[in-house]
Amino acid sequence: DAGVIQSPRHEVTEMGQEVTLRCKPISGHNSLFWYRQTMMRGLELLIYFNNNVPIDDSGMPEDRFSAKMPNASFSTLKIQPSEPRDSAVYFCASRGWKAAVNNEQFFGPGTRLTVL
Amino acid sequence: LAKTTQPISMDSYEGQEVNITCSHNNIATNDYITWYQQFPSQGPRFIIQGYKTKVTNEVASLFIPADRKSSTLSLPRVSLSDTAVYYCLVGDKAGANNLFFGTGTRLTVIP
Repeated sequence: DAGVIQSPRHEVTEMGQEVTLRCKPISGHNSLFWYRQTMMRGLELLIYFNNNVPIDDSGMPEDRFSAKMPNASFSTLKIQPSEPRDSAVYFCASRGWKAAVNNEQFFGPGTRLTVL
Repeated sequence: LAKTTQPISMDSYEGQEVNITCSHNNIATNDYITWYQQFPSQGPRFIIQGYKTKVTNEVASLFIPADRKSSTLSLPRVSLSDTAVYYCLVGDKAGANNLFFGTGTRLTVIP
């Protein structure tokens, strides 16, 4: 298995632009998580889905952030408009029924976002 | 949400045993303790999980006292490749509240 796939790996954009981050979870996994990591705040959960349905989006910082999971094999995190303070590494993780026994999540390589 | 407190950083020489302690005073009855490891430029990776007493796998051991208000991750004979950030999480097994990573403990192994 290729693991969790994220794209792009790096994104540099200008303030005000729309940014879309993409994630392909591990096949067969039914939960998907989006995280943001910065030096100051560490690793923060933004939103997670179970069976393609958003369960908890309380970590989404504001209305500029939105996430979708149209099917079991794809999810997007969109920021519109982007701001410099959104600069961070964004991770996607997935978890399967079996891994739910110990809540083991499998993380992707992350997308490093820089907003100028 | 049961949050955790860990040291910000630790240094250790190669070959030594490293113990990282995590405090979780508000742990609930249904909560488990989970540790993740994160190498630079990578996502976190699951290491070990436990509920009470001791758990051991091929990577580490996890010690949990009877009151469960703290836990200790033990890494035997560390090598340079164990340099990473280690996160302690507390929450029920499949719920959302097992997902607070925070800033973790940055372990640096020195040759």
